[in-house]
Amino acid sequence: NAGVMQNPRHLVRRRGQEARLRCSPMKGHSHVYWYRQLPEEGLKFMVYLQKENIIDESGMPKERFSAEFPKEGPSILRIQQVVRGDSAAYFCASSQGARETQYFGPGTRLLVL
Amino acid sequence: AQSVTQLDSQVPVFEEAPVELRCNYSSSVSVYLFWYVQYPNQGLQLLLKYLSGSTLVKGINGFEAEFNKSQTSFHLRKPSVHISDTAEYFCAVTPSGGSYIPTFGRGTSLIVHP
Repeated sequence: NAGVMQNPRHLVRRRGQEARLRCSPMKGHSHVYWYRQLPEEGLKFMVYLQKENIIDESGMPKERFSAEFPKEGPSILRIQQVVRGDSAAYFCASSQGARETQYFGPGTRLLVL
Repeated sequence: AQSVTQLDSQVPVFEEAPVELRCNYSSSVSVYLFWYVQYPNQGLQLLLKYLSGSTLVKGINGFEAEFNKSQTSFHLRKPSVHISDTAEYFCAVTPSGGSYIPTFGRGTSLIVHP
């Protein structure tokens, strides 16, 4: 049973470009969470999705960031017009149910030049 | 709202020595508590969790943690560390009711020297 998959593992973008981060949850998991980890900080919650629905986006910046989890395919975290401050590691986690243990992917390290 | 304080940003220790990584939390509601480990360039792996019951929780890789409600602490311990335990350790809390979104501490870097 494969774990949570994220791709790409590393992503380099220039300021103003778009970044798309993908997350495939564990088999049988329909709940996906996105977190951001800035250097020397803990993970900060961004958004919680359950197939086709955003359940909680209280940690998501109001502009330039969006997330989706379509019926088919991976969850996507999209950052438009990236700025240097977006440079961070972005982690995805999945769970079987709303209050079940979350399993984390290896992360995508985004570097904005 | 919850907050988590990991008092030590870095803990150096020699191999086979005991170690304690400290975690204190603040919350107006009852909480569940977690410790995660992050190896370089990898995601977080759950070490152990406290939901209810016995305050001493045993996890993987020989780690254990004790929940102390009066001191609002959940310190992580291991009696004898290995080089392979070198990693970043994160303490996290979630409210025991409602959302299961964890709040993480800033992490403690455990560095095991030979």
